[in-house]
Formats: sequence, structure tokens, C-alpha cells
Amino acid sequence: DAKTTQPTSMDCAEGRAANLPCNHSTISGNEYVYWYRQIHSQGPQYIIHGLKNNETNEMASLIITEDRKSSTLILPHATLRDTAVYYCIVRVVGNTGKLIFGQGTTLQVKP
Amino acid sequence: EPEVTQTPSHQVTQMGQEVILRCVPISNHLYFYWYRQILGQKVEFLVSFYNNEISEKSEIFDDQFSVERPDGSNFTLKIRSTKLEDSAMYFCASSTSYSNQPQHFGDGTRLSIL
Repeated sequence: DAKTTQPTSMDCAEGRAANLPCNHSTISGNEYVYWYRQIHSQGPQYIIHGLKNNETNEMASLIITEDRKSSTLILPHATLRDTAVYYCIVRVVGNTGKLIFGQGTTLQVKP
Repeated sequence: EPEVTQTPSHQVTQMGQEVILRCVPISNHLYFYWYRQILGQKVEFLVSFYNNEISEKSEIFDDQFSVERPDGSNFTLKIRSTKLEDSAMYFCASSTSYSNQPQHFGDGTRLSIL
């Protein structure tokens, strides 16, 4: 499974967009990019995923570069409740489906 | 919105005792997983389960661990003889497929071994 690299921590002002980067330079053509977050010690919460096209849902947008070597998760209007650890994970289509979590990015949304 | 539920939320057990952690996956999901997270560390994959058998297990999932789907709704993780180092949050997850559908996680069981 491809390895991902994320900044350890980021700050964002409440109401502003939070842009969380992820590098996955060794990603293969059949690997999806998934984003999860973990608020305090709760279970990981699914946010969004994509293969090569940009994706948007009610929570966030995912921008994947054309070469697929990096991506950015965008929370358009961050709130204090978005303070969490955000994980970028690449996942092979067709394997047993396990997710390999890294250390993630701790996003602190400040008033 | 359907969700994965786990019970109990907190389990305290003496070292050497058996413990069973319970999960009710989302009803139309067919693929089930257990993960654990030791305090302050990463979330780690333990095992995946489909069609009443283990699909993959990690090195952590040794002979002390077992999983079962005893009926149409529950999915359990048993630790036969607990050790101090088994203290962790244990998360259950389920999904509709292995491939391009997300796993949805429960809020976990905090297992404390004394």
C-alpha cells in the first residue's frame, strides 16, 4: 500500500476554509485516496474518497492532482467542531479492504 | 443515518480473563473489520471478515484473538487470555464492499486490563 505524508499539525480560523494537504507520490493506478477524521477518541469518521477526479460532498471537497501524487482536503467553512485528527489513506481496489492509518494531521480550528 | 454500534463502551477486566467485545454492523453491510488504538498511538488493523471467514489478519491478531458472527446482526471479537498490553480502544467497522466503498466505524470499546 502506498505511503502518505501529511503535516503533523495545522491551525485554521473559524469560518475560513481549511486546506489539508497529503502527499502520496507512490500511489498506483488502482489505489483510491480516502480521508477520515477522528475527533478526540471517537471512532474514525469517513469524510470523502476519490480515484482521480475531484469530489465534493456535504462535508468536504477533495482535490487530486492530475499526476495523482498529492491531494488536498478542503473544509469550506471550518467550525470549532472540525477540530480533529485528519487521516489521508490510500487503499487498493480489490484487496481485503484494510485501512492503514498514519499519524494524520491535527487540525485546530480557532475562534 | 445507520451506524455501527459497539458494546460495552468501557470494559475493565483482570489480566488473564477472557473478554468479548460486541459490534452491530450496518444492516446491509457484508464486510466487517476490527481495529485497535493504543492510547496515543495510531489506529491499527486487526482483522477483516467476510462470508463467515477471516479474509486477512495482522500480526497483532494472534491465537489469543478470534472473531465470530454468531447471528445475522452481531460481530464479536474475543480475546481469550487478556494481557496488560491489550489495553486499548477497539473499533469495529463495516462496509458494503472491499473496493471503492468506505468503511464506517463504531465509537469503540475502551478495554482496560488490570
